[in-house]
Amino acid sequence: AQSVTQPDIHITVSEGASLELRCNYSYGATPYLFWYVQSPGQGLQLLLKYFSGDTLVQGIKGFEAEFKRSQSSFNLRKPSVHWSDAAEYFCAVGPNNAGNMLTFGGGTRLMVKP
Amino acid sequence: GAVVSQHPSRVICKSGTSVKIECRSLDFQATTMFWYRQFPKKSLMLMATSNEGSKATYEQGVEKDKFLINHASLTLSTLTVTSAHPEDSSFYICSAPDPNQETQYFGPGTRLLVL
Repeated sequence: AQSVTQPDIHITVSEGASLELRCNYSYGATPYLFWYVQSPGQGLQLLLKYFSGDTLVQGIKGFEAEFKRSQSSFNLRKPSVHWSDAAEYFCAVGPNNAGNMLTFGGGTRLMVKP
Repeated sequence: GAVVSQHPSRVICKSGTSVKIECRSLDFQATTMFWYRQFPKKSLMLMATSNEGSKATYEQGVEKDKFLINHASLTLSTLTVTSAHPEDSSFYICSAPDPNQETQYFGPGTRLLVL
């Protein structure tokens, strides 16, 4: 069975500092991996996704993620965090590029200190 | 702007009553939509796949008689929580793939509180 683990429930970083959110997955087939951000009152927004090719993928809002097959990881990074990045972040795995039928991780709540 | 809407955004109901939640795709058609449930401080869990013109496909452990799904048209799927109990209180989110199957659009969610 597929699963996604986000080990960090909460993370607090200072504005301007770098960020890394961890994600580990277990999937029986070729994984299609996604990172979403959830802000209050808004639907989940796709930050980036990966299924093949260059293992370092660039997303919106300055985010990037690196796929490491050997570690079954897909960590999200941002070199300099802005206060507006405070939100809940979800890693997910699914059977196709469209993001259908996703299995989500538990989420990481990011807080940004001024 | 939002491409998937949900109505209502929040609802409070009494135990034993039924509640209908609508999910609409705006400006595009979706033969398939997905319903997720998010518990407080928890992740989203896929409940079912809503299929236009046919029965919904439910995930293991989801009661199909409890959570009725109807994909009435190519732009509307409804989730009805029947005989609601306090443990059904949750945040319900729908999603729909764009016509090119390249991304998934999520609705803003519906918060259900059953008293």
